Amino acid sequence: DTGVSQDPRHKITKRGQNVTFRCDPISEHNRLYWYRQTLGQGPEFLTYFQNEAQLEKSRLLSDRFSAERPKGSFSTLEIQRTEQGDSAMYLCASSPLAGGYNEQFFGPGTRLTVL
Amino acid sequence: AQSVTQPDIHITVSEGASLELRCNYSYGATPYLFWYVQSPGQGLQLLLKYFSGDTLVQGIKGFEAEFKRSQSSFNLRKPSVHWSDAAEYFCAVEGSGGGADGLTFGKGTHLIIQP
Repeated sequence: DTGVSQDPRHKITKRGQNVTFRCDPISEHNRLYWYRQTLGQGPEFLTYFQNEAQLEKSRLLSDRFSAERPKGSFSTLEIQRTEQGDSAMYLCASSPLAGGYNEQFFGPGTRLTVL
Repeated sequence: AQSVTQPDIHITVSEGASLELRCNYSYGATPYLFWYVQSPGQGLQLLLKYFSGDTLVQGIKGFEAEFKRSQSSFNLRKPSVHWSDAAEYFCAVEGSGGGADGLTFGKGTHLIIQP
């Protein structure tokens, strides 16, 4: 078990471009989360998958943000028409579906810089 | 909706001294509470968690936290800090959505260790 991995670790893009980030959760973790962390703040919850079903997406920041988890394994987060305000660290976490509680394991994050 | 307040943005402690980081939460029922640590360039690492039962919980790296329902607090403590404890510490609460709400984090406390 190698933990949660994210790719790329860093992304620099120009305003208006689309970007896509990938998250590979811990094997057999049913739950997958995306968070955004801006400088000086704690992570902010964006969206949640249970297997391939996206059960919560109302917290996505705008309709420019979308996420998928097509086969219930890895997930992608896409930001269309990026803006400078999208510059942040994007974190992925996974957890098993067990026991009524929810210990999340976080990946190292993808740092996005929008020029 | 739940919320978390970490009143101290920065704390400076001498190496070997004791540490207490404050966390207050707002939530209508018995919360699930967490402390995470984030070092530069690293992902979030879970230090400890409280779900139920004994209100004093032990974590990794010599940390402990005490849940006080009457004060809506979950303060993190360590009897003797090491230089390697310098990092950002986040308190988090899980909502009632069975995981679908994600974690709600405080803004974090930056811990500085003086030699």
